[in-house]
Amino acid sequence: GAGVSQSPRYKVAKRGQDVALRCDPISGHVSLFWYQQALGQGPEFLTYFQNEAQLDKSGLPSDRFFAERPEGSVSTLKIQRTQQEDSAVYLCASSLDRPPYEQYFGPGTRLTVT
Amino acid sequence: AQKITQTQPGMFVQEKEAVTLDCTYDTSDPSYGLFWYKQPSSGEMIFLIYQGSYDQQNATEGRYSLNFQKARKSANLVISASQLGDSAMYFCAMIPLSGAGSYQLTFGKGTKLSVIP
Repeated sequence: GAGVSQSPRYKVAKRGQDVALRCDPISGHVSLFWYQQALGQGPEFLTYFQNEAQLDKSGLPSDRFFAERPEGSVSTLKIQRTQQEDSAVYLCASSLDRPPYEQYFGPGTRLTVT
Repeated sequence: AQKITQTQPGMFVQEKEAVTLDCTYDTSDPSYGLFWYKQPSSGEMIFLIYQGSYDQQNATEGRYSLNFQKARKSANLVISASQLGDSAMYFCAMIPLSGAGSYQLTFGKGTKLSVIP
């Protein structure tokens, strides 16, 4: 079946612009996660949805970051007034809501802020 | 809080040889899961293997095995019979299986494996 898809794959934004990153999880997966992966680092947790409910947004680095999943499937990560430090790969993952809680990742969106 | 440490930034292995990638972890959670993911240059994180802290036997998946030593808090990945396609970044990660945050994966910084023909 289809895996997790993300769009766009690459995004270049000028500092100060707003961007929106899309994630289509695997059909039927209850849980959805966003991670930020800086160059040369492992992914870091940003936020978690269970269906349409955002249960944890503790990893969002600032109030410029906003995520939503209004119908419990597709999710959008929005970054307002982008800064150079926002440059990273943004990974989306989804999982069934039972152990071992394996998360299936999408290919990521590489965001470059100039 | 959880922490994953991968002390090998880069590793080289001859094709068809076995290689061990190190991972140590720190957690106060009584039960947890440990994962290894592969990230090729295309960027996608590919699940390789899972070990639950309560599992008595070490996990194996094809050419991958996880050498789990609970007392030492280590979860090393062993890849047997390396292939050129194994060249990639490898990440160790853990997840608590109870309590708050029992969904967050915590990743290490990764090890870059290069397979030499």
